[in-house]
Amino acid sequence: GAGVSQTPSNKVTEKGKYVELRCDPISGHTALYWYRQSLGQGPEFLIYFQGTGAADDSGLPNDRFFAVRPEGSVSTLKIQRTERGDSAVYLCASSLPGLYNEQFFGPGTRLTVL
Amino acid sequence: DAKTTQPNSMESNEEEPVHLPCNHSTISGTDYIHWYRQLPSQGPEYVIHGLTSNVNNRMASLAIAEDRKSSTLILHRATLRDAAVYYCILREGYSSASKIIFGSGTRLSIRP
Repeated sequence: GAGVSQTPSNKVTEKGKYVELRCDPISGHTALYWYRQSLGQGPEFLIYFQGTGAADDSGLPNDRFFAVRPEGSVSTLKIQRTERGDSAVYLCASSLPGLYNEQFFGPGTRLTVL
Repeated sequence: DAKTTQPNSMESNEEEPVHLPCNHSTISGTDYIHWYRQLPSQGPEYVIHGLTSNVNNRMASLAIAEDRKSSTLILHRATLRDAAVYYCILREGYSSASKIIFGSGTRLSIRP
């Protein structure tokens, strides 16, 4: 079956611009997560949705970052006034509900802020 | 989530077993030990998890020390496709948050 998909695969933008990154989770997965990964480091948690609501947004670095999941399926990560330090691979994962359920990751969106 | 310690890198030969160590001396009684791996240019993928007993699945085996302060991921016969970064992760048993806290992992290289 289809895995987690993310679009675009690559995004190049200029400092100060607004970007949106999209995640399509596996059908039926109610839990959705966003992580970001800088070069040479492990992924860093950003936000977790259970259904439509953000259950844990403690990883969002500041108020320029925002994520939505209005219908409990597709999610969009929004970054305002991008900075060069936002350059990273943004990963999305989904899972069935439950504490230990395997998280299935998408291929990521590579964001480059010039 | 408790901290884990892994070697930065390891090398192994193709078709030989690989033992990837992980130390987690501050593990609590309700922490589960999870392993994920990340192949080049891909997102992480689940490998295995366990609590106290050793675990086996089609990908690997997980050997957990009796005091649970360390564990070892075992790849029984490494292939070139197993070259990846391997992450050892602790997840709280009764936490309402199911986020994963990744460390830096072990970069495994496989020699043909």
